[in-house]
Amino acid sequence: DAGVIQSPRHEVTEMGQEVTLRCKPISGHNSLFWYRQTMMRGLELLIYFNNNVPIDDSGMPEDRFSAKMPNASFSTLKIQPSEPRDSAVYFCASRPGQGGSEGETQYFGPGTRLLVL
Amino acid sequence: ILNVEQSPQSLHVQEGDSTNFTCSFPSSNFYALHWYRWETAKSPEALFVMTLNGDEKKKGRISATLNTKEGYSYLYIKGSQPEDSATYLCAFAGTASKLTFGTGTRLQVTL
Repeated sequence: DAGVIQSPRHEVTEMGQEVTLRCKPISGHNSLFWYRQTMMRGLELLIYFNNNVPIDDSGMPEDRFSAKMPNASFSTLKIQPSEPRDSAVYFCASRPGQGGSEGETQYFGPGTRLLVL
Repeated sequence: ILNVEQSPQSLHVQEGDSTNFTCSFPSSNFYALHWYRWETAKSPEALFVMTLNGDEKKKGRISATLNTKEGYSYLYIKGSQPEDSATYLCAFAGTASKLTFGTGTRLQVTL
């Protein structure tokens, strides 16, 4: 199994540009999570999906951030327009079960390191 | 806002030392407590998931205990090796069906 796949692995962009991060969860997994990791706040949940449906987006910082999951094997996190304070590592994770699966392990992708100049 | 705290923030030990860290979490609405190991420039990797009060899990030289009544978990490493150097994260799973992570304990093991 290839594990969770994220692309790109690194992204450098200029303030104001649109950034799209991509994630392919492990095949057969029903839940997908987007996290952001910063020095100040550690690993924080942005949004998660069950069966492609967004369940909780309370962690999304503001309207500049949006996430979609058009099918079970693909999700995007978009930032438009990007700002320097968005610079962070963005992780995608997937989990086999749906709601009520808190005891199941989440499997993390390698992350996308974003730098907004 | 859920409060998941880990201590110490960082730890520096010598090869062969045994060490332990603490994760404290809310004692109400508990479903599971996860431990992850996170090496620099890699992604977090699951170590344990614990769901029952009194749970003890072991993986090689690493073990963990859980006390849900008082809201804490300990992670132990016996005979630390340089390859154990990493950040160890705990994550609390409550009724919201999502994980709230602590800020981690950064372990450095030197020869």
